[in-house]
Amino acid sequence: AQKITQTQPGMFVQEKEAVTLDCTYDTSDPSYGLFWYKQPSSGEMIFLIYQGSYDQQNATEGRYSLNFQKARKSANLVISASQLGDSAMYFCAMRENNAGNMLTFGGGTRLMVKP
Amino acid sequence: DGGITQSPKYLFRKEGQNVTLSCEQNLNHDAMYWYRQDPGQGLRLIYYSQIVNDFQKGDIAEGYSVSREKKESFPLTVTSAQKNPTAFYLCASSSLPGQVTGNTIYFGEGSWLTVV
Repeated sequence: AQKITQTQPGMFVQEKEAVTLDCTYDTSDPSYGLFWYKQPSSGEMIFLIYQGSYDQQNATEGRYSLNFQKARKSANLVISASQLGDSAMYFCAMRENNAGNMLTFGGGTRLMVKP
Repeated sequence: DGGITQSPKYLFRKEGQNVTLSCEQNLNHDAMYWYRQDPGQGLRLIYYSQIVNDFQKGDIAEGYSVSREKKESFPLTVTSAQKNPTAFYLCASSSLPGQVTGNTIYFGEGSWLTVV
């Protein structure tokens, strides 16, 4: 079974609008962390935001926020006020503390921002 | 500057050859990882290490080998047993959870390997 599922292979958003990228996960480990990374065409992986399983509040970092719904096992990324430079692949990932702390990635979502 | 350095950026391998990809970090991180990415796909874990002289197989370890003789270094060898090695390889490092900055995992810029 997939541990991390990103159901949107590609998405378009109009510049300056907000967009939500979906991520659902599967784990029985009570202690885990959820990450979002951005990968532009250059290939580098840029860390965006982190949410711990015990964090009470949703994480925010500038224009990025994480909509964490623990009971539904979802960790959607919200990008506000989209910019042309936001066009990239976005990956959701999970780190389970009882599984050697390794990071498991979803298949990614390609976001394209239209001017 | 602190960070993760991967080399070479581009590498061509002939059939039957072993090649080694270098990964060095000066972040004093305990954990290091190797991932493979095929075009249009997500990242898959090859090997990871949480301490010097110890490492574990990830999901796709067959045809690869690693060593962790120093905390800063985690080289990956792509052996001739790896039948389809053409891919983008990413090295990463992190502190362990519970340590300061343990929640961030940093990546190198990646290495492109092509079989010719």
